[in-house]
Amino acid sequence: QAQLVQTGAEVKKPGASVTVSCKASGYSFTSYYVHWVRQAPGQGLEWMGIINCSGGSTSYAQKFRGRVTMTRDTPTKTVYMELRSLTSADTAVYYCVRAPGESEPFDIWGQGTMVAVSS
Amino acid sequence: QSVLTQPPSVSGAPGQRATISCTGSSSNIGAGYDVHWYQQLPGTAPKLLVYGDNKRPSGVPDRFSGSKSGTSGSLAITGLQAEDEADYYCQSYDTSLSAYVFGTGTKVTVL
Repeated sequence: QAQLVQTGAEVKKPGASVTVSCKASGYSFTSYYVHWVRQAPGQGLEWMGIINCSGGSTSYAQKFRGRVTMTRDTPTKTVYMELRSLTSADTAVYYCVRAPGESEPFDIWGQGTMVAVSS
Repeated sequence: QSVLTQPPSVSGAPGQRATISCTGSSSNIGAGYDVHWYQQLPGTAPKLLVYGDNKRPSGVPDRFSGSKSGTSGSLAITGLQAEDEADYYCQSYDTSLSAYVFGTGTKVTVL
């Protein structure tokens, strides 16, 4: 069945960058979109952006523009999310999430990747 | 700050009904965008529970139902069970922000 598997936890220093990968399997990769959603400890869900896995076009939340880049590699069915200039406020669990279309619900979630930012 | 507002907590005894509201505005729910609901069990990733205002994915019990009216959506859980203890989030799209938005989240406790 369809699933998204993410890379393991990361610990980064302030000012560094982190790249989280998300490998898709069990479905037609280029027929779907992938969103990135994060959740700070004890907090709610926050949408970061979306990538069209077919053409690679992206749209980012205003808050992250200029600091985030989402890419995909079609042969390996992998989506990447790079977040730069990390601060302690970026400490969170990052989820990649599949959606059948731009207006469609988030139907398959990755297991999440904990990113801790600490000096 | 979330643009969709939910009550922080809702509780009920086993077998009772619980309802969670999701209040938006004319730029999201009121603009006709679908409301989706997600259930997040402790320590796990969220899971799609209701989509397109009132549809359930395969495998979701019919105890869960969604509705929408005006600028608000609502999730009802009938016949509360201990396994329903979780955080619940609504989600929609906001045309003013050009962004997908989540509700503030509601913790459901089964007494």
